[in-house]
Amino acid sequence: GAVVSQHPSRVICKSGTSVKIECRSLDFQATTMFWYRQFPKKSLMLMATSNEGSKATYEQGVEKDKFLINHASLTLSTLTVTSAHPEDSSFYICSAREGARMNTEAFFGQGTRLTVV
Amino acid sequence: AQSVSQHNHHVILSEAASLELGCNYSYGGTVNLFWYVQYPGQHLQLLLKYFSGDPLVKGIKGFEAEFIKSKFSFNLRKPSVQWSDTAEYFCAVNARAAGNKLTFGGGTRVLVKP
Repeated sequence: GAVVSQHPSRVICKSGTSVKIECRSLDFQATTMFWYRQFPKKSLMLMATSNEGSKATYEQGVEKDKFLINHASLTLSTLTVTSAHPEDSSFYICSAREGARMNTEAFFGQGTRLTVV
Repeated sequence: AQSVSQHNHHVILSEAASLELGCNYSYGGTVNLFWYVQYPGQHLQLLLKYFSGDPLVKGIKGFEAEFIKSKFSFNLRKPSVQWSDTAEYFCAVNARAAGNKLTFGGGTRVLVKP
């Protein structure tokens, strides 16, 4: 399958600082990228969907000013957690797919564990 | 609210036992269905998917799933599990009614005892 690389895999930051997480599609052009958050022992919750060159569409309850998403190219999307607080500590996962059609498979990055101290 | 439900949160079984994990969804209309596996410390991997055609889908590592449209179900099965199947399993649905976004079930943690 196609490869999606997420960086960093782990990050620890202080409260009040911002953290940027990168998601890259290595061998395909990602028309659409998704950002998920996974709480301990919980499922993946979709945070936002981004299409290359467009503003991200955020799910209900997700603060767009806190979780800034940029999808400036067909191979890179970034999630920036601004003014991080301990409650933002979580496992963040991106996925990417090449097309917008329903029957297009999405591939997942390895995830980023964010700890805010 | 429309959703994806996995009935079992935890399953413990012995090697060579058969495994069946339930998944139900509530979306009407066209759906694409997936099962993902997450091994400890690793990222999500696709086990199998259903888009159309034969409702019995075979995936990797001996897994299969059956789409029963009338029951809104997509249960995952494996006839004989191995210790290496210890992982968390997620059912996911991509539904036109949900805006073509992949929605995950709550996950089932499977522990296979050697």
